[in-house]
Amino acid sequence: ETGVTQTPRHLVMGMTNKKSLKCEQHLGHNAMYWYKQSAKKPLELMFVYNFKEQTENNSVPSRFSPECPNSSHLFLHLHTLQPEDSALYLCGAQGNSAEAFFGQGTRLTVV
Amino acid sequence: GEDVEQSLFLSVREGDSSVINCTYTDSSSTYLYWYKQEPGAGLQLLTYIFSNMDMKQDQRLTVLLNKKDKHLSLRIADTQTGDSAIYFCAEREENTGFQKLVFGTGTRLLVSP
Repeated sequence: ETGVTQTPRHLVMGMTNKKSLKCEQHLGHNAMYWYKQSAKKPLELMFVYNFKEQTENNSVPSRFSPECPNSSHLFLHLHTLQPEDSALYLCGAQGNSAEAFFGQGTRLTVV
Repeated sequence: GEDVEQSLFLSVREGDSSVINCTYTDSSSTYLYWYKQEPGAGLQLLTYIFSNMDMKQDQRLTVLLNKKDKHLSLRIADTQTGDSAIYFCAEREENTGFQKLVFGTGTRLLVSP
């Protein structure tokens, strides 16, 4: 248990669907991240939220839309995705200390 | 630019020591991390080291940091089959107002009985 919970664990969606990934942290940490992990590629940082404010958008296509309604929750809204968007999406949380924890990830398959 | 490199694969026998290496490029990194990822799972934080330290030991894990060469290593003593996984090193980069982690490509460790 890392203190970071992601739901759902697995998601299959069509290219015309709209879905959302959810991340919840109970660590009181002020920074939250979305990373994408594709096969044979390094982990890619997508978004950073610091104190609920988006501080980095790493050139992510607009079909991915993040939302951070409060310091404990982070969402990734998905619409009109492509098959190449199939990947493991990881949420992380970090506070003022050194430790950075990640959830179990959502395995997304776009068909 | 930011770049963290690791060898792709390491195979050891049970009971031996494993050493996983990593090189990074950002000399201003404040912390460096090691994560473990088992099949189908997320990233498990194993250990981390502050950039002004050169060694940290935590049970079977020893982290060595050579800041001059920007080289980080993770030694696992008495490696067990349950240690088989992918190991990622990461550097923490500080930017104005926030920090982020930059990950290496991962090293797949295979432990044979």
